[in-house]
Amino acid sequence: GAGVSQSPRYKVAKRGQDVALRCDPISGHVSLFWYQQALGQGPEFLTYFQNEAQLDKSGLPSDRFFAERPEGSVSTLKIQRTQQEDSAVYLCASSLGTGGEQPQHFGDGTRLSIL
Amino acid sequence: EDQVTQSPEALRLQEGESSSLNCSYTVSGLRGLFWYRQDPGKGPEFLFTLYSAGEEKEKERLKATLTKKESFLHITAPKPEDSATYLCAVQERSWGKLQFGAGTQVVVTP
Repeated sequence: GAGVSQSPRYKVAKRGQDVALRCDPISGHVSLFWYQQALGQGPEFLTYFQNEAQLDKSGLPSDRFFAERPEGSVSTLKIQRTQQEDSAVYLCASSLGTGGEQPQHFGDGTRLSIL
Repeated sequence: EDQVTQSPEALRLQEGESSSLNCSYTVSGLRGLFWYRQDPGKGPEFLFTLYSAGEEKEKERLKATLTKKESFLHITAPKPEDSATYLCAVQERSWGKLQFGAGTQVVVTP
């Protein structure tokens, strides 16, 4: 497809389990972002990749959160030992350039529910 | 602390009733202000980018304006399909990290 694709769309996990969320950006987009969106709130920045390099991970809530983009295309956000407060929608966005002048295009997100 | 504040939180309009949404921001160096639309269960959809005070952008029934402290999204003669949450975001850093407001939920009734 032409847009950003995220999978799974929904994920339910028990507290303490590990989860992995996948993002397929728009082909050729250099920049990739992960955001976390709580119900009724705007997205909150988690981390940023330029190609395969993770240039900013200042928004990751704890060391249980880990993101990678090994070949500069698909990215995975992993959450270890999930907790109830991790329940949220996780959004991925990509943009063509590296200077912020190109808009970010978002996927439809993965809705994560921790029981 | 840098902040992005949107008002009102919710807005209910009759079809054809024009209105404006506000986004006020306090960031040290604005590189761009973005407006997105978000439908339930979907990701944000890009609408506009504004870079400098006095700039205006239009798309169909939407018009965005920017001053040094705030931005407005004007909805002219809205239709039910304009119902959505409208998000404002500011970009401070050169590589594009966005800081979002909480959004304004707009409902347009026939």
